[in-house]
Amino acid sequence: SQQGEEDPQALSIQEGENATMNCSYKTSINNLQWYRQNSGRGLVHLILIRSNEREKHSGRLRVTLDTSKKSSSLLITASRAADTASYFCATDAGANAGGTSYGKLTFGQGTILTVHP
Amino acid sequence: KAGVTQTPRYLIKTRGQQVTLSCSPISGHRSVSWYQQTPGQGLQFLFEYFSETQRNKGNFPGRFSGRQFSNSRSEMNVSTLELGDSALYLCASSNEDRDPNTEAFFGQGTRLTVV
Repeated sequence: SQQGEEDPQALSIQEGENATMNCSYKTSINNLQWYRQNSGRGLVHLILIRSNEREKHSGRLRVTLDTSKKSSSLLITASRAADTASYFCATDAGANAGGTSYGKLTFGQGTILTVHP
Repeated sequence: KAGVTQTPRYLIKTRGQQVTLSCSPISGHRSVSWYQQTPGQGLQFLFEYFSETQRNKGNFPGRFSGRQFSNSRSEMNVSTLELGDSALYLCASSNEDRDPNTEAFFGQGTRLTVV
């Protein structure tokens, strides 16, 4: 079963605009990760934020984490046509779930981002 | 550093057959996880192997099995294939034994079609 939900399910913007995607989850986590997937191919890791962090930046990416609300957001600034992809958040329960968490990421349903040139 | 390699990239099988998929993790990574991705269910965790031992398993029937070799390469097997097993199967590796807050690196996946 999915850990939570991502919002919106689909997002269509023009090049140069910012894109914001939200993710909610249900259980305590060790960290939260964001991945990108192009057209049914493999997942590319974008950024990892630990449960004791509130904000993290990587290039044009900014991720926030609010553990009290069990939510995260991914902001892509100055978007490019090459950013067109599906974006997934994934939670790692870590020690919170004991042995049931080994190697397991729980994914949201994803946001389909389309950036028009 | 080579990434995670999955073979084959594409497979077409008939209902009732069995299939074996292979995953070579990043060098030095000992944890290998498998996921199934379908349009309806999204990304679902299958199982995780570490040092040749299955440490974790998702909610899939016993037809889905796997193993890991001493060089950390992993295989997953699906027996008595059903149409619903058609999916993209993704493998991920990590070195979480050294750092619990480490990212998982995914392969390009194997696209399995059952006809």
